[in-house]
Amino acid sequence: AQTVTQSQPEMSVQEAETVTLSCTYDTSESDYYLFWYKQPPSRQMILVIRQEAYKQQNATENRFSVNFQKAAKSFSLKISDSQLGDAAMYFCAYDWGVRGAAGNKLTFGGGTRVLVKP
Amino acid sequence: GAGVSQSPSNKVTEKGKDVELRCDPISGHTALYWYRQRLGQGLEFLIYFQGNSAPDKSGLPSDRFSAERTGESVSTLTIQRTQQEDSAVYLCASSLAEETGTGGIFGPGTRLTVL
Repeated sequence: AQTVTQSQPEMSVQEAETVTLSCTYDTSESDYYLFWYKQPPSRQMILVIRQEAYKQQNATENRFSVNFQKAAKSFSLKISDSQLGDAAMYFCAYDWGVRGAAGNKLTFGGGTRVLVKP
Repeated sequence: GAGVSQSPSNKVTEKGKDVELRCDPISGHTALYWYRQRLGQGLEFLIYFQGNSAPDKSGLPSDRFSAERTGESVSTLTIQRTQQEDSAVYLCASSLAEETGTGGIFGPGTRLTVL
């Protein structure tokens, strides 16, 4: 079974600086998808960034970028120029990406709380 | 609709009572997922619907949990004889059937508190 581990329960960053969140996962699949979701106090899960495992190039979305190390099964998120609005829980998630009866359910890590200091 | 909606937003119930949680997916989304999020934890998969059939119920924690879906629209998650351990946020997500690796669009969740 696939597992996703986030080893940092909480990270603190100064406004305008950079913070990196760690995520490791375990799978025997070769093609899959990885995600980072943001969950503010409103509970709404917001997709931050997505990575396809067969693509070697790291995904980037504005101030958010990932460092995808397939061999190491590592998928970290870097938030640059941190803003107060970035404060939230961040979840790493895995989708085995195979169409079929199992759909595309996500397996989530335990989350990392990001605090942004003004 | 414009997004996934869930109702009620919050539900407080007494131990032993039954509760029903509702999810309205985005129109046209045939795939629908229910997840549970306990306090301070990540989301746990409960059940997946494709249309009104449920090919994957592997995440339902006990036979007190059941879900159904009407056609390709509303889904209801029912918890019978609620226990305090059932207290959590229940989130629903939907996606197009042919989409792969998109994660789906999430609703705002229902916070269930069992006293």
